[in-house]
Amino acid sequence: SQTIHQWPATLVQPVGSPLSLECTVEGTSNPNLYWYRQAAGRGLQLLFYSVGIGQISSEVPQNLSASRPQDRQFILSSKKLLLSDSGFYLCAWSVGFLAGEAEQFFGPGTRLTVL
Amino acid sequence: EDKVVQSPLSLVVHEGDTVTLNCSYEVTNFRSLLWYKQEKKAPTFLFMLTSSGIEKKSGRLSSILDKKELFSILNITATQTGDSAVYLCAVANSKLTFGKGITLSVRP
Repeated sequence: SQTIHQWPATLVQPVGSPLSLECTVEGTSNPNLYWYRQAAGRGLQLLFYSVGIGQISSEVPQNLSASRPQDRQFILSSKKLLLSDSGFYLCAWSVGFLAGEAEQFFGPGTRLTVL
Repeated sequence: EDKVVQSPLSLVVHEGDTVTLNCSYEVTNFRSLLWYKQEKKAPTFLFMLTSSGIEKKSGRLSSILDKKELFSILNITATQTGDSAVYLCAVANSKLTFGKGITLSVRP
């Protein structure tokens, strides 16, 4: 069966510090991978998605970046965090080329607080 | 811009009640509509709807899609305290666009 891991679970970082969140998927090959941010009262916002190694699409301009160094690894990074980067970050995976072809399965999330 | 609107934003019911959660949307190149339940952390998948008028059921939960009127409803019958959660609606074209969610609280 497929599982998705995210770490860390919780993170408190000062403004201006770097960020690296990691997501890995087991039990499937060539998944589509997604990073979402969930801010209070705003729903899930798609940040990045990837259909393959080294292929990243950005949905929202921001100071975050994403990378996919391996088939089942997706990393969310920032060089300098802003207060507005606080939120709940969720990684998800799906099969199929387009999002609408299959359901997305979510990881446990990382709660990021920027102070 | 793709848009998904859920209503109500929150509701409180008693165990045994039936609830209807609403989701309306405006998206280009619609492919499917999905419902998720989010309790504490990761949203968990409930339903994926692609065709109008075909009800999907899972236990006490059911959902239906109207592609002409651009909405979906999620029904929960005989609610239990374990149904308390945020219910997310998402619409898919080349990506998922989520609504803000509906917070359901079921009181014993």
